[in-house]
Amino acid sequence: DGGITQSPKYLFRKEGQNVTLSCEQNLNHDAMYWYRQDPGQGLRLIYYSQIVNDFQKGDIAEGYSVSREKKESFPLTVTSAQKNPTAFYLCASSTQGANTEAFFGQGTRLTVV
Amino acid sequence: DQQVKQNSPSLSVQEGRISILNCDYTNSMFDYFLWYKKYPAEGPTFLISISSIKDKNEDGRFTVFLNKSAKHLSLHIVPSQPGDSAVYFCAARVWGSARQLTFGSGTQLTVLP
Repeated sequence: DGGITQSPKYLFRKEGQNVTLSCEQNLNHDAMYWYRQDPGQGLRLIYYSQIVNDFQKGDIAEGYSVSREKKESFPLTVTSAQKNPTAFYLCASSTQGANTEAFFGQGTRLTVV
Repeated sequence: DQQVKQNSPSLSVQEGRISILNCDYTNSMFDYFLWYKKYPAEGPTFLISISSIKDKNEDGRFTVFLNKSAKHLSLHIVPSQPGDSAVYFCAARVWGSARQLTFGSGTQLTVLP
């Protein structure tokens, strides 16, 4: 059945290392997004992509990078330049229709030690 | 600058009573509003939405009201059930944008049996 898959669910990395979070969708959605959630805060947009091979920075893109080589995949790399990488990361996708919701994956909890 | 605000971080309600969750926004370009429900360590799930051309949308126990002049929306849950206990996020989308959502900080609803 269709959905968005994020892997892994939990990820631990040492400070200074880059890490890539996976996001795959089989909903045939054109648009994909990465959000970050911190305790007591809402979801903040990191990057988004409307079509393959194109993406734009969100509100908190510094220290992150993405790629969109395939419609189904939108991996997020957390680089060593990200000052506070420990967070819950959520990937979402949606159609390009006017009044449509975004569907979310189950999230990846990244802990940097 | 927080464009979508949920000023109540938590709300407790007795089972069977009405839960009212509130959300305020500042951007008059928002044209579509959504409510998401989120359990710990999971991705948000879509609950209900409303277009700016309407002032009410109902789906079963859930009703969303929109007051554009006050830039305020609310989610009513009647009757509340213990399974409704979760964090509820209000989100909004700008007309003509790349469809990315701006989220509030969330309200933790606890329904007491």
